[in-house]
Amino acid sequence: ETGVTQTPRHLVMGMTNKKSLKCEQHLGHNAMYWYKQSAKKPLELMFVYNFKEQTENNSVPSRFSPECPNSSHLFLHLHTLQPEDSALYLCASSQEINVGGLNSPLHFGNGTRLTVT
Amino acid sequence: GENVEQHPSTLSVQEGDSAVIKCTYSDSASNYFPWYKQELGKGPQLIIDIRSNVGEKKDQRIAVTLNKTAKHFSLHITETQPEDSAVYFCAASGGSQGNLIFGKGTKLSVKP
Repeated sequence: ETGVTQTPRHLVMGMTNKKSLKCEQHLGHNAMYWYKQSAKKPLELMFVYNFKEQTENNSVPSRFSPECPNSSHLFLHLHTLQPEDSALYLCASSQEINVGGLNSPLHFGNGTRLTVT
Repeated sequence: GENVEQHPSTLSVQEGDSAVIKCTYSDSASNYFPWYKQELGKGPQLIIDIRSNVGEKKDQRIAVTLNKTAKHFSLHITETQPEDSAVYFCAASGGSQGNLIFGKGTKLSVKP
């Protein structure tokens, strides 16, 4: 078990559906992240939360809406997605966010495999 | 911003041989370089990391070397085993862009 749990593991949705991805970390970390992993591309950072506050939105389309109710839980709300949004969505956490030379290792969950039809 | 290049994209070795994966980075201010291993159906897992104040770090069969002058770092796996088969990612952070920037990954196959 990685300490970061993501549900569901697999999700198939139509372009008009609304769904949510859930992430929970049991490591006592203060920062949480959403990454998108597509084939043959580097991991793409989407959102960063530090102590429940969003500190980064990496030019992500508004059809992806994150929510962080507390330091242990992170959601990604999805609506009117496109087929090119099909990918593995990874949640991660770290003790602190990586700024100013402070480097805190990322701990990833096993991801949600999303297919948009 | 930071850019991380990783080579090769695929690597096939015989069990017991060594494997080397290389990465270069662009931001000279970067000072933290982790390596992640991703097995099929799982998320990336940190296997080793190195900070800019050291040139080499070892953990059993895994070692990482860092050349700050040339801005490149490498992962070395000795005595490879079939369970080493996975996708390996390098990353860099600590520069002007604080968050980790990842390479595209290397798919390592270890043949029995």
